Amino acid sequence: DVKVTQSSRYLVKRTGEKVFLECVQDMDHENMFWYRQDPGLGLRLIYFSYDVKMKEKGDIPEGYSVSREKKERFSLILESASTNQTSMYLCASRDLGDGYTFGSGTRLTVV
Amino acid sequence: DQQVKQNSPSLSVQEGRISILNCDYTNSMFDYFLWYKKYPAEGPTFLISISSIKDKNEDGRFTVFLNKSAKHLSLHIVPSQPGDSAVYFCAASEPGNQFYFGTGTSLTVIP
Repeated sequence: DVKVTQSSRYLVKRTGEKVFLECVQDMDHENMFWYRQDPGLGLRLIYFSYDVKMKEKGDIPEGYSVSREKKERFSLILESASTNQTSMYLCASRDLGDGYTFGSGTRLTVV
Repeated sequence: DQQVKQNSPSLSVQEGRISILNCDYTNSMFDYFLWYKKYPAEGPTFLISISSIKDKNEDGRFTVFLNKSAKHLSLHIVPSQPGDSAVYFCAASEPGNQFYFGTGTSLTVIP
């Protein structure tokens, strides 16, 4: 069964901390995505990657960076966490012609 | 600007009746459409898809209708069950590109 695994379900971090959100997929998908979900705003794309070491900005990349050193792993980095980055973060991967497979999400709270 | 819109934030339906969730889009290049279902504190799970070459796709109790001229799709759930209570997101993409999501509709099925 296809799987996207996000390493943490819940995280609490302090303002100014550097935060790493990890995502691993076992489907050999080229494409991986990071979204955040906020009430009333739906899912908004932060960054995506079409291949190892490649990254593209999504709609709301400010305050975030990503790393894709291996095909199966796509990391989202909050360089200096702020309270407005409190959100549900969702990682997804995709094969061409198919939809996304999502991870179970990471609920991040920045205090 | 939101390319995919779900104008109803919430919907309540009696158990056994039909639930109809609506979605509008603006980009005529979108050729693949999905519906996802999301429970609290979980990642979205794929429900049903439709490509632009079809106007209807059915899977058990779930049917998606696509009206390309109106740039409108809808999800019908018949009969609705209490376990269907969740947030439903529609999503659309151009060939090979990222998905754009609506803001979600929270469905409550009343026993």
